[in-house]
Amino acid sequence: EPEVTQTPSHQVTQMGQEVILRCVPISNHLYFYWYRQILGQKVEFLVSFYNNEISEKSEIFDDQFSVERPDGSNFTLKIRSTKLEDSAMYFCASRVTREVTDTQYFGPGTRLTVL
Amino acid sequence: AQTVTQSQPEMSVQEAETVTLSCTYDTSESDYYLFWYKQPPSRQMILVIRQEAYKQQNATENRFSVNFQKAAKSFSLKISDSQLGDAAMYFCAYRSTGNQFYFGTGTSLTVIP
Repeated sequence: EPEVTQTPSHQVTQMGQEVILRCVPISNHLYFYWYRQILGQKVEFLVSFYNNEISEKSEIFDDQFSVERPDGSNFTLKIRSTKLEDSAMYFCASRVTREVTDTQYFGPGTRLTVL
Repeated sequence: AQTVTQSQPEMSVQEAETVTLSCTYDTSESDYYLFWYKQPPSRQMILVIRQEAYKQQNATENRFSVNFQKAAKSFSLKISDSQLGDAAMYFCAYRSTGNQFYFGTGTSLTVIP
């Protein structure tokens, strides 16, 4: 069964450094998402992306964050200058259409640790 | 904004028994979807079951079923014949016709052998 993949599984970085989290959505999916889960808290929406542009973003997704689909398969989340509070699990998700009937599939997540 | 509430931070169940996890939500929309996701220690989000708001029939997936009460805005998950592998964090989630998912704070389920 096709699945969303994410790399790396765990990223450790120093505060102030840039990080890029990578996701490969399911191949025929058109809508892509990033979510964040701080340890012990609920999953929070960050951003959605369609047709090479951001569709929606939350208040969390400030100027330090950016997303990109650099080629036909990868979908990346960049954090320009990481802060301690960016430490979290980051989940990528994708789905085929925007229809409410469509299921969203999550990747396994990338654990980001900012020191 | 929509809110999803899971009032049970922790639950436990004896192996082979049945447990029900509660979820309530707040919305003014009439068309939406509800989901239960399981998050094991690996922290991957695994879809357990989903329910279309316009369907009166409760969704069922093997040992997992829901009790969807639209008027009460309640969406509980029942796990029958609990297995050790069911131990995980369970998140209730709401999705409207828009793009966003709204998640509850989760219920940690322990299965006692």
